[in-house]
Amino acid sequence: AQSVSQHNHHVILSEAASLELGCNYSYGGTVNLFWYVQYPGQHLQLLLKYFSGDPLVKGIKGFEAEFIKSKFSFNLRKPSVQWSDTAEYFCAVSQTGANNLFFGTGTRLTVIP
Amino acid sequence: ETGVTQSPTHLIKTRGQQVTLRCSSQSGHNTVSWYQQALGQGPQFIFQYYREEENGRGNFPPRFSGLQFPNYSSELNVNALELDDSALYLCASSLPTRGYNEQFFGPGTRLTVL
Repeated sequence: AQSVSQHNHHVILSEAASLELGCNYSYGGTVNLFWYVQYPGQHLQLLLKYFSGDPLVKGIKGFEAEFIKSKFSFNLRKPSVQWSDTAEYFCAVSQTGANNLFFGTGTRLTVIP
Repeated sequence: ETGVTQSPTHLIKTRGQQVTLRCSSQSGHNTVSWYQQALGQGPQFIFQYYREEENGRGNFPPRFSGLQFPNYSSELNVNALELDDSALYLCASSLPTRGYNEQFFGPGTRLTVL
C-alpha cells in the first residue's frame, strides 16, 4: 500500500533560518508529488508540484523541492523563512493517472520573529 | 475564476444522525474528490466523482456516499454518524489532463458529532 512519511511533526525556527522538511513515500511506480500548505484558518493551498522532468522544482513564496527517485524522497526547502511561513505543511503523492492523493500527517512549522 | 466552495462551514450533529455536505467545484473542473481530515492528521481520500459517477473510493464504509450533479457540484452524505466521524471534510476539484491530477481544495466543513 502507498504511504507517505513526514518525519518532522513540529519544527520551530527563527526568522531567516533555513528550512528543510522531509518527505518519503513508498510506491514503486511513476508518481506525481505535491507539497501543500495550510495557513492558520485557511484552506489547503498548493506550494509546488512535480510531474516529470527537472527533479528540482520551484514553487510559490521561495519554496523549492527536490525529487530524489532513488531515495523515494521529495524534501521541501526554503533558504530563509519568514514569520508568515508559520503553517502546516503536507506532502502528498499520487500515482500517475490515479484519482486520489495520499497525504503525510503534516509538519507544523512555527517561525519565531 | 471562482474557487472551490463548501457549505456549511460548521455543523454539529449527534450520533446516529445523517448529514449532507455540499461542494461547488472550481470553474471548468469536472472532477470532485472528498477527503476526511481528522485532528492532527493529513487528509484521507474518501472517494472521487467524475461525470456523475463514482471514480474510485478509499477505505471508508458504505455509509459514506456521494453524488455529483450535471454542473459538477457534489454532495457527501454520511449516515448513522459515529463519534469518530468528527473531522474536517475537504472537497477538491480537478481537471485531470494526461494523467496529471492537480487538485484544488475548498475551505472544508468542520463536522462535530456529539
